[in-house]
Amino acid sequence: GESVGLHLPTLSVQEGDNSIINCAYSNSASDYFIWYKQESGKGPQFIIDIRSNMDKRQGQRVTVLLNKTVKHLSLQIAATQPGDSAVYFCAENVVSGGYQKVTFGTGTKLQVIP
Amino acid sequence: EAQVTQNPRYLITVTGKKLTVTCSQNMNHEYMSWYRQDPGLGLRQIYYSMNVEVTDKGDVPEGYKVSRKEKRNFPLILESPSPNQTSLYFCASRPRAPGTGLREQYFGPGTRLTVT
Repeated sequence: GESVGLHLPTLSVQEGDNSIINCAYSNSASDYFIWYKQESGKGPQFIIDIRSNMDKRQGQRVTVLLNKTVKHLSLQIAATQPGDSAVYFCAENVVSGGYQKVTFGTGTKLQVIP
Repeated sequence: EAQVTQNPRYLITVTGKKLTVTCSQNMNHEYMSWYRQDPGLGLRQIYYSMNVEVTDKGDVPEGYKVSRKEKRNFPLILESPSPNQTSLYFCASRPRAPGTGLREQYFGPGTRLTVT
C-alpha cells in the first residue's frame, strides 16, 4: 500500500487501550477543525469535526478536544482496535477575505498492537 | 456507493512526457480539487474547481493544469513532468458549502506518480 510519510511520529498502543493523538494548529483565526484517518493505500476519510466555539465533541468511540488558548487539538480513540491502525491528521479551516483556506497537518501513525 | 475514482493508481514516467490523471465522482458535487501529499508535508492543494468551467489555482499549481468540462470529471494534466512532481496525488470532491462542507469531502484512493 501507499506510505504517506517515511518519518511520521508513531504512536504504538495496545489493543483495548485508549489512544490520544495531538495536533498543533497555526492560525488563531481558524474556525473549524477536522480529523482525518488515512489507511494504507487509501485516501483520507473524515472522522470528526469541531467548530471553534466548542471545546469538546464526541462521536462513536472518538472525542475531539480543542484548546484555543494554546492552539491545540487532540483526538481520543477509546478501546483502540486493530482496524484503527492508520495515519491520523488534523486540518484547520479559516475564511479570510471571502476565501476559504484549509491547512492540513502532517499526521501521526497509530500502530495497534494486538 | 458514493465514491471518487482516480486512474491510474500507479504511474512511472520520464521527464517531459505529458500525462493525465483522471478523476471522476458520482455524487453530483460542485467542488472538486487536487492535492499532492509528500513526506513531512501535509496535503497541499494544487487546483480546485467550484463548478463546471470554473477552476482556480491552489497553493502549488506550478507545472499542472486542470479542466472541468463536466461536473463529474476533473482531470489533472502534467504537460512536462519533472522529478519534483514525484508524489502521491489525491482527487477530492465535496458539496460547495464552505466550512462544514468539508465533512462531506470524499477523497479518491490516490495516484502514486514517479517521474524519472
